[in-house]
Amino acid sequence: GAVVSQHPSWVICKSGTSVKIECRSLDFQATTMFWYRQFPKQSLMLMATSNEGSKATYEQGVEKDKFLINHASLTLSTLTVTSAHPEDSSFYICSASPGLGNYGYTFGSGTRLTVV
Amino acid sequence: QKEVEQDPGPLSVPEGAIVSLNCTYSNSAFQYFMWYRQYSRKGPELLMYTYSSGNKEDGRFTAQVDKSSKYISLFIRDSQPSDSATYLCAMNLGGSYIPTFGRGTSLIVHP
Repeated sequence: GAVVSQHPSWVICKSGTSVKIECRSLDFQATTMFWYRQFPKQSLMLMATSNEGSKATYEQGVEKDKFLINHASLTLSTLTVTSAHPEDSSFYICSASPGLGNYGYTFGSGTRLTVV
Repeated sequence: QKEVEQDPGPLSVPEGAIVSLNCTYSNSAFQYFMWYRQYSRKGPELLMYTYSSGNKEDGRFTAQVDKSSKYISLFIRDSQPSDSATYLCAMNLGGSYIPTFGRGTSLIVHP
């Protein structure tokens, strides 16, 4: 089945530094990937839609300069949290679909970011 | 009103019980419906997806869609403690890539 790999699974960084999270589709090509943020006991909050070869589409209220998304190939999208602050601490999850969105979305295992 | 409503629970049941998880939605244009299971500190795992109205069965899981009522359900038979997780419903418009998620229902199956 479709597999999405996300790394790292957890990361601790100092305030003011940047952190990069990778999302790879291992056995299918994904022209579109999605990045979500999830707070404890809350549902998934869509941050942005990552499109291969073009700029990401950000949801309202998401700072594009803070959350840099690069989708350089059909199997890799990256999310970089720049100048991280403690309020950026959260669970970040990517997802992709091997079909036209109608076959269900496969999620990565998530990245727990803690900014100290 | 949110597009997708889902009771957050928690729903606590004894082992072996039949579990019913539900979502309602307001957008009648939704065509594809999905259920995900999410264990703590893990990404959601796709359990089932269905198209339009009807039932779909996979092992102990049955997904049901009633488009006339804008209501979807996931039934879990012979529930096990390992089924304890958060279950999220999701749906999309078919031609759109972006799914809309419910907030998830926390299920606890106790031995």
